[in-house]
Amino acid sequence: AQKVTQAQTEISVVEKEDVTLDCVYETRDTTYYLFWYKQPPSGELVFLIRRNSFDEQNEISGRYSWNFQKSTSSFNFTITASQVVDSAVYFCALSELNSGYSTLTFGKGTMLLVSP
Amino acid sequence: GAVVSQHPSWVICKSGTSVKIECRSLDFQATTMFWYRQFPKQSLMLMATSNEGSKATYEQGVEKDKFLINHASLTLSTLTVTSAHPEDSSFYICSARGAGQGFSSYNEQFFGPGTRLTVL
Repeated sequence: AQKVTQAQTEISVVEKEDVTLDCVYETRDTTYYLFWYKQPPSGELVFLIRRNSFDEQNEISGRYSWNFQKSTSSFNFTITASQVVDSAVYFCALSELNSGYSTLTFGKGTMLLVSP
Repeated sequence: GAVVSQHPSWVICKSGTSVKIECRSLDFQATTMFWYRQFPKQSLMLMATSNEGSKATYEQGVEKDKFLINHASLTLSTLTVTSAHPEDSSFYICSARGAGQGFSSYNEQFFGPGTRLTVL
């Protein structure tokens, strides 16, 4: 069973629009970490955020914000006032305690295209 | 801190040849290194986990005789694609996990910039 689901394969927006990238995860662990990574065309993974399963507080970092809801097993990512430089593939990932946090399970990614 | 490099960044080779990709942790000791493969427009798939001084653990479906992994030191792991074929063309990404002072108890992974392999 897929542990991390990013249902949106591709999203296209116009600059300055807000956009939300969805992530739904599945785990039997009560202790786990969730991540978001950005992968621009260059290919290098850029770490965006790590969230512990016990910390459901939403986080804001500049134009980025994350909404973690354990009740729905979701960890959604919103970009406010999107910019062309935000164009990239975004991955949500899960790391579980029962694997000793040794494994990162990635979703299939969402390609975001921001046009001017 | 926590920088991981990969070399080469890209490589083109003929079918049947072997290619070695290096992954180095530049400013920390990596007790564990991971190798991922990413096909175009797909997600990262873990190939293997290597611990310094011991044999790598391969994920199901990954041929260990084709993808040779050596983790000879705490700062270097190598992935050798033996007798490469066009279907091995992919983006290979390594990550390294540090431990000890200066690292979180979580032991997070730090990713290299990736190596793009094209087999003709």
